[in-house]
Amino acid sequence: DGGITQSPKYLFRKEGQNVTLSCEQNLNHDAMYWYRQDPGQGLRLIYYSQIVNDFQKGDIAEGYSVSREKKESFPLTVTSAQKNPTAFYLCAGSSSGAPGETQYFGPGTRLLVL
Amino acid sequence: RKEVEQDPGPFNVPEGATVAFNCTYSNSASQSFFWYRQDCRKEPKLLMSVYSSGNEDGRFTAQLNRASQYISLLIRDSKLSDSATYLCVVRAGTGGGNKLTFGTGTQLKVEL
Repeated sequence: DGGITQSPKYLFRKEGQNVTLSCEQNLNHDAMYWYRQDPGQGLRLIYYSQIVNDFQKGDIAEGYSVSREKKESFPLTVTSAQKNPTAFYLCAGSSSGAPGETQYFGPGTRLLVL
Repeated sequence: RKEVEQDPGPFNVPEGATVAFNCTYSNSASQSFFWYRQDCRKEPKLLMSVYSSGNEDGRFTAQLNRASQYISLLIRDSKLSDSATYLCVVRAGTGGGNKLTFGTGTQLKVEL
């Protein structure tokens, strides 16, 4: 099956712990994105990458880190510096990252703090 | 003022009804517009792009009014399966990659 996959579906984090969310795609997308969704709020952009080995901060990058070592993979690490990490995390991809291109989403990971 | 504003609803309509949602955006330089659909606890999925001349896809019609800075979505002959949250999405300007701004969504409930 083609598409964008995210794992795990649910993730639990203890206080002070770093956790990494996986995002993989086999659509040959150059651009990949990470969003966070909270109840009553629109999706907010955390980081995005338009090409391998390059990424840019989005609107709420503090407390998060990413890497883009391979075209297919764009993992997101939620660090202990992120004080309110409980949210629904969505990874997306688009073909080239050109303005106005449609973004396609993975199924998401729900992160809960214990 | 939020960059993209939507009435959160819920809109409760009977099956077969016609329902319309509006969305306003604040940045007059916005270039691209979309409607996404999001089912409960699922990822958003593209419903349709919105073009300047308006466009239709089956029972769905999208309109753009640049002068008043709003877009609309019309759903005719509503089905139970249309129940979902509809997200208004705007891409402002041409710089800074493909950054999209999402509205908080309008919830639609179609009832028997």
